[in-house]
Amino acid sequence: DARVTQTPRHKVTEMGQEVTMRCQPILGHNTVFWYRQTMMQGLELLAYFRNRAPLDDSGMPKDRFSAEMPDATLATLKIQPSEPRDSAVYFCASGSQGTGKDFGPGTRLLVL
Amino acid sequence: RKEVEQDPGPFNVPEGATVAFNCTYSNSASQSFFWYRQDCRKEPKLLMSVYSSGNEDGRFTAQLNRASQYISLLIRDSKLSDSATYLCVATFGGAQKLVFGQGTRLTINP
Repeated sequence: DARVTQTPRHKVTEMGQEVTMRCQPILGHNTVFWYRQTMMQGLELLAYFRNRAPLDDSGMPKDRFSAEMPDATLATLKIQPSEPRDSAVYFCASGSQGTGKDFGPGTRLLVL
Repeated sequence: RKEVEQDPGPFNVPEGATVAFNCTYSNSASQSFFWYRQDCRKEPKLLMSVYSSGNEDGRFTAQLNRASQYISLLIRDSKLSDSATYLCVATFGGAQKLVFGQGTRLTINP
């Protein structure tokens, strides 16, 4: 059963440090999404890609967040510098056109 | 106004009851619709797609009303294992951008 994988699963860091989260989408899926979930805001779309090309990153704070897909098997989300308000669960999801999307297990980030 | 709106609940219902959730979406260009289920401290998982003609999967029935821009989910003969948060999703745009509602928390009581 193919799954989206994410690393690390948990990350605790100090304010100001760089955080890199990685995602391996399901082979053959051509869309990849990054979401952030908090109790207050729910699931917020940060960025998404189709065929590795970024389509929309308007949900992402541009000054500190960046998302890339260096190849079809890897998507990355970086925060530099991190802030306590970035503490959340970050989910990666992948899918094909017209279908529901499969989510990874998430990265739980705590910025102290 | 949020793009996808749901009643956050919580809904507390006895086992065996029928429960219904509604959801509205603001973008009339939305193309596809889904219900996801999320258990505590887990990732969202696709429960079912929602079609204009309505669709059923066992005890679950989903309906879409494009004219009124709302989506519904009906759970019949609810089980304890149905306790979760149910997320309504609408998509739009060429890349099927998924927009989630806030989720409706459901607890089934024995």
